Amino acid sequence: SQQGEEDPQALSIQEGENATMNCSYKTSINNLQWYRQNSGRGLVHLILIRSNEREKHSGRLRVTLDTSKKSSSLLITASRAADTASYFCATDGGSGGYQKVTFGIGTKLQVIP
Amino acid sequence: KAGVTQTPRYLIKTRGQQVTLSCSPISGHRSVSWYQQTPGQGLQFLFEYFSETQRNKGNFPGRFSGRQFSNSRSEMNVSTLELGDSALYLCASSLGIVVTAEAFFGQGTRLTVV
Repeated sequence: SQQGEEDPQALSIQEGENATMNCSYKTSINNLQWYRQNSGRGLVHLILIRSNEREKHSGRLRVTLDTSKKSSSLLITASRAADTASYFCATDGGSGGYQKVTFGIGTKLQVIP
Repeated sequence: KAGVTQTPRYLIKTRGQQVTLSCSPISGHRSVSWYQQTPGQGLQFLFEYFSETQRNKGNFPGRFSGRQFSNSRSEMNVSTLELGDSALYLCASSLGIVVTAEAFFGQGTRLTVV
């Protein structure tokens, strides 16, 4: 099964609203990253948060990490139609060594103009 | 600065054939990782190369192999193609190993096996 699992799998909101996506993982991690993918194209890196960080901001993006719950959330504020994409979290294996990166299934976000 | 380039963009192959995909990383990046993306399985890690050495390998059969050249360019080979190998194959390059660094992805090669 996937190390990272995003929730919800699909989300539809109106332009201007906030969008929140969650990612849960099973094993301990060193880092967690969020990526965006526009319809069948390559992924774009959004944010990397380390296991000793709790929150990180980048423009309209806010990522939180709760290692005790093994979960992370991505908040997109004041969404725009251009934010329509799939969002993935990616984790490493942790446990003292950098393992292969594992992606979740993704959250498909639709922002309606 | 040129991005990650994958060639070809589209490919149609017959079951049983083999295929080689190419990935040219961003200049200066030493890590190249490969992924398979399908609607059913999502995005799955294939392998990562760093300075011509395979660092990690995902849970794929031995039909999937790769290599990295001294200029960091990488190739992925799939032998004895099966229908289930139809997927979007993405490669990414990064300065450091992929789990610690921002990865830059190419547009992918869409492989269809018929």
